[in-house]
Amino acid sequence: AQRVTQPEKLLSVFKGAPVELKCNYSYSGSPELFWYVQYSRQRLQLLLRHISRESIKGFTADLNKGETSFHLKKPFAQEEDSAMYYCAPRYGNKLVFGAGTILRVKS
Amino acid sequence: ETGVTQTPRHLVMGMTNKKSLKCEQHLGHNAMYWYKQSAKKPLELMFVYSLEERVENNSVPSRFSPECPNSSHLFLHLHTLQPEDSALYLCASSQDFGTGCAFGPGTRLLVL
Repeated sequence: AQRVTQPEKLLSVFKGAPVELKCNYSYSGSPELFWYVQYSRQRLQLLLRHISRESIKGFTADLNKGETSFHLKKPFAQEEDSAMYYCAPRYGNKLVFGAGTILRVKS
Repeated sequence: ETGVTQTPRHLVMGMTNKKSLKCEQHLGHNAMYWYKQSAKKPLELMFVYSLEERVENNSVPSRFSPECPNSSHLFLHLHTLQPEDSALYLCASSQDFGTGCAFGPGTRLLVL
């Protein structure tokens, strides 16, 4: 089965603190992995994809195939990072979304 | 207009009505998708079109009928819906399946 788990519904941190948003996916054939973000009153948008190995807005995501995890990290959270974050593995033509984690960065 | 657009943005319909949701993408992508976002549930993939051909129907009831007349336009025809079909319906597009999706703003549907 193609599943993705984001165990935390809400993650609340102080500005300047490190952030780690957890994501675990089911193995089913080495999916391509993405993180999407939705800021308040904005549409869902792509944050980063694993294959690009990029850092966007200070965020990076490390793929651990042994643990089937793709956690999103940022060393110093900023207030503008407050949003809903979705982990989304792609299995063939299906982009499967996790339930999402709300990140709240407090000043 | 750039990106992915959806109309209408809000829709209220009775269970006996027939309505259609429209999506248009201005990105030159070759794949389009319908997703459903219900309260307290993850985004659910409904349909996938590649080069105007339906390649995925994710066990969606027949009261939802998609149509893709060309690579830029996608419709979702609705008839005899149920109140539990009330949700945000998102359209997305991508270039092939290995890239990320661009999403539209969604249509907020309420079925009375």
